[in-house]
Formats: sequence, structure tokens, C-alpha cells
Amino acid sequence: KAGVTQTPRYLIKTRGQQVTLSCSPISGHRSVSWYQQTPGQGLQFLFEYFSETQRNKGNFPGRFSGRQFSNSRSEMNVSTLELGDSALYLCASSPATGTGELFFGEGSRLTVL
Amino acid sequence: AQRVTQPEKLLSVFKGAPVELKCNYSYSGSPELFWYVQYSRQRLQLLLRHISRESIKGFTADLNKGETSFHLKKPFAQEEDSAMYYCALMKTSYDKVIFGPGTSLSVIP
Repeated sequence: KAGVTQTPRYLIKTRGQQVTLSCSPISGHRSVSWYQQTPGQGLQFLFEYFSETQRNKGNFPGRFSGRQFSNSRSEMNVSTLELGDSALYLCASSPATGTGELFFGEGSRLTVL
Repeated sequence: AQRVTQPEKLLSVFKGAPVELKCNYSYSGSPELFWYVQYSRQRLQLLLRHISRESIKGFTADLNKGETSFHLKKPFAQEEDSAMYYCALMKTSYDKVIFGPGTSLSVIP
């Protein structure tokens, strides 16, 4: 089976712009979680989607949003980018919600200038 | 709020020596606990989970509810064990998984 695929892998944006990141889960996996990874804060949970519904949400401002499509693919969007949003954004899929068994992608590295 | 701490950012051991990666959590209930590992140039992946009570790649982890700890142990470290290790907690089923800050393990040949 193909692993979790995240696109784009690298991107550079400027402050105030918005960005959309995409995640294709492993075939058959219906749960997708998003994490922000930075050297200072480590892995911070953003949100989890299951069957197109947001199941869990982390403590991030409303500028961070996500959605899941009927084919389980997920996107996350960050609007009005700030310098502090520079990070590696990791997507993880799971066969079902609530198992704790996460299969991670390679991440999308966002740099905000 | 629940929290996971890993007191060591870096840990170096010699090949063949025992290794223990510490993990403590703050949560009053009965969480599910995991260890995830990221080898160089590889994706973050699940190593083991406490409910499985299994040994993976020679690693074991015991949940100590009294000390709220879930330390990862291996009796004889191998060079291929060098990696970043993350302890993770899920408060209840269907809750989010939160991660500790990670410990970078270096096994010296």
C-alpha cells in the first residue's frame, strides 16, 4: 500500500498570505490528523477528521482550518500567515478514529518570510 | 490538561549497554500510552503501545500508574536504535494523541 502522501513538500510564503496543504491517507484509512512540528514546541495537535467530520481540535487560532473529503483526503488551510507559522506540518492517517495508531506522512515544510 | 514530558533531550549510550528512555505523563485517568520512533530520513512511526504488552525490536515499556511513567527500555542497545523517540498519550479512546518533546538517542559504536 502507498503511504500517506503530503503535498506540497516545501513551500515559501510571505506574511499575510494563506496556504493550503493536502494529505492523501493510506487507502482504506478514514481518519486523518494534522500536527504542527517546530523545534521549540515539538509536535502540536491541530485537528482530526473522520468521515468528513472534525472529531478533535487542538488549541490553535481560527486561522487554522481543515476539512476532509468523501474519499478521506484532507486539506488544511492557514490564513493570514505569521512568521511563527513556519513549521513542518505532518499529516497522519489511521484506519479508524481513536486507535492512537497513526501512520505519518513526510510532512509539508512551510517557511513564512 | 494532560501533558507528556521526556526529561532527556539527548541520550548517548554505548553499543551493548542498557538503555532507558524516560517518559512521564500528567493525567488522572487511565490513558493509552505509545512510543513512536523516527529514524534518520524516515517517517515517524509507531514503535509500541502499552495495551499490546509486546516487545518490538527488543524494546519494552511498562506503564506505572503510581509514578505516571511509561519508560522505554532495551537491555542491549544497537547502533540501529539511534533515532528520535517520542512518548505519546491518548486520554481516552477517540481522543487526540498528544506527544512529548522527544528524546534523541545516539548509540555509540
